[in-house]
Amino acid sequence: NAGVTQTPKFRILKIGQSMTLQCTQDMNHNYMYWYRQDPGMGLKLIYYSVGAGITDKGEVPNGYNVSRSTTEDFPLRLELAAPSQTSVYFCASSYEGGPTSEQYFGPGTRLTVT
Amino acid sequence: DAKTTQPPSMDCAEGRAANLPCNHSTISGNEYVYWYRQIHSQGPQYIIHGLKNNETNEMASLIITEDRKSSTLILPHATLRDTAVYYCIVKANFNKFYFGSGTKLNVKP
Repeated sequence: NAGVTQTPKFRILKIGQSMTLQCTQDMNHNYMYWYRQDPGMGLKLIYYSVGAGITDKGEVPNGYNVSRSTTEDFPLRLELAAPSQTSVYFCASSYEGGPTSEQYFGPGTRLTVT
Repeated sequence: DAKTTQPPSMDCAEGRAANLPCNHSTISGNEYVYWYRQIHSQGPQYIIHGLKNNETNEMASLIITEDRKSSTLILPHATLRDTAVYYCIVKANFNKFYFGSGTKLNVKP
C-alpha cells in the first residue's frame, strides 16, 4: 500500500490565484481529513469527511473548500489565495472515527502565497 | 475537550531511555491518550495510544497515571533517528483531534 499520497509537494501561488491540493489513500478508509500547520505550531483541522459525499468543517475552514466524490480521493480547493494561507498542508485518513482509530498522514504540501 | 501540556524541548543521550511527559488534567472518561511524532516537517507518525492501562508496542511504552491526569511516553533506547517533535493528544472523536506545540526531543550522540 502507498498509504496517503499528496500532490504537489511544493507550490508557490500569487495572491488571488486558485489551486487544488490532491489527496489519495489506498487503504479503503472511510474518514479523511485536511490539516494545516503553520511554522512552529501544531496542526489545525480544516475539513473532514466521514465518507463519499459527506464533508464538514473543522476548526479553520475559511478560504477552503472540499469534495469527496470517491472513497479514495479528498481534494482541497483554495480560492483566491491569501498570504495567510502560506502553510504546510497535511491530508490524513482513518478507517473509522472512534476514539481508538489512529490517523495516517500524508507527506504534506508546502504552499507559499506571495 | 481536554487539552495537553508538554515541555517545549528535551535532550536525551543516544542509547538511553527518553521519557516524555504530558499533562492532561481535564481529560474526560471517554478520551484516549495518543502520541504522534513528526520528523523534520514530514507527516505526523502514529506511535501509541491508551485509555487507562499501560501500553507497549514495538516503538514505545505509554504509562498513564491512575487518575489519568498525566502520561509518559517512553522510548527505551533512543537513537538519532528519534529526534523529532512529539505530540501528546487526547481524543474522544475523530474531529476532536487537537495537536498542540509538542515536545522537541533532541537525541545527542
